[in-house]
Amino acid sequence: QLVESGGGLVKPGQSLRLSCVVSGFNLSDFFISWIRQAPGGGLEWISYISSTTAYTNYAASVKGRFIVTRDNAKNSVYLQMDNLRVDDTARYFCARDSGFRGWFGPWGQGTLVTVSS
Amino acid sequence: DIQLTQSPSSLSASVGDRVTITCRASQNIRTFLNWYQHKPGKAPNLLIYTSSNVQSGVPSRFSGGGSGTDFTLTINSLRPEDFATYYCQQSYGAPLTFGGGTKIEIK
Repeated sequence: QLVESGGGLVKPGQSLRLSCVVSGFNLSDFFISWIRQAPGGGLEWISYISSTTAYTNYAASVKGRFIVTRDNAKNSVYLQMDNLRVDDTARYFCARDSGFRGWFGPWGQGTLVTVSS
Repeated sequence: DIQLTQSPSSLSASVGDRVTITCRASQNIRTFLNWYQHKPGKAPNLLIYTSSNVQSGVPSRFSGGGSGTDFTLTINSLRPEDFATYYCQQSYGAPLTFGGGTKIEIK
């Protein structure tokens, strides 16, 4: 199971930190990805972090503004989102990522981030 | 970026119908194509991975196939709980990308 939290309403330029707490599997064995869905839109992969934190990757739309980290001891993955923009408004999901050329599953139910002045 | 085009974007169907959704990639992605089901307010659910492998716990009425640029998701004998939006996703190249979704509605 994965449970996201930390969403909310913020103004453009502000920051938020999302958390993803996992249970039922050993977090240290898996990649975790963050995926978002804008209102009325489709799914967009935005970031992943490898099982050992040795490697992270980001979509161009968030690179330089978002940072993903993990604390395996706390069974948690975090997404620090800085300099938020109106077009970052979305529901943010975390998902277990099977790794290179893999798939996402299971997913959390998501947390809603709204960026508005 | 690899573009994935799903068709149709929506369809109306009845319980018991057989439905096929297609996903076309903008370049050869071999068989690195996955399918998800998403219901409003719920976590998306992995159905099919690597084109044709059915995820554990997914009913056998779901099947997938294809390679290269053309892929299909088929649902045999639609059940009421299958009305949802379905997405394909490629993991061949970065960035990972999703199709635009196919919403299956009740006729």
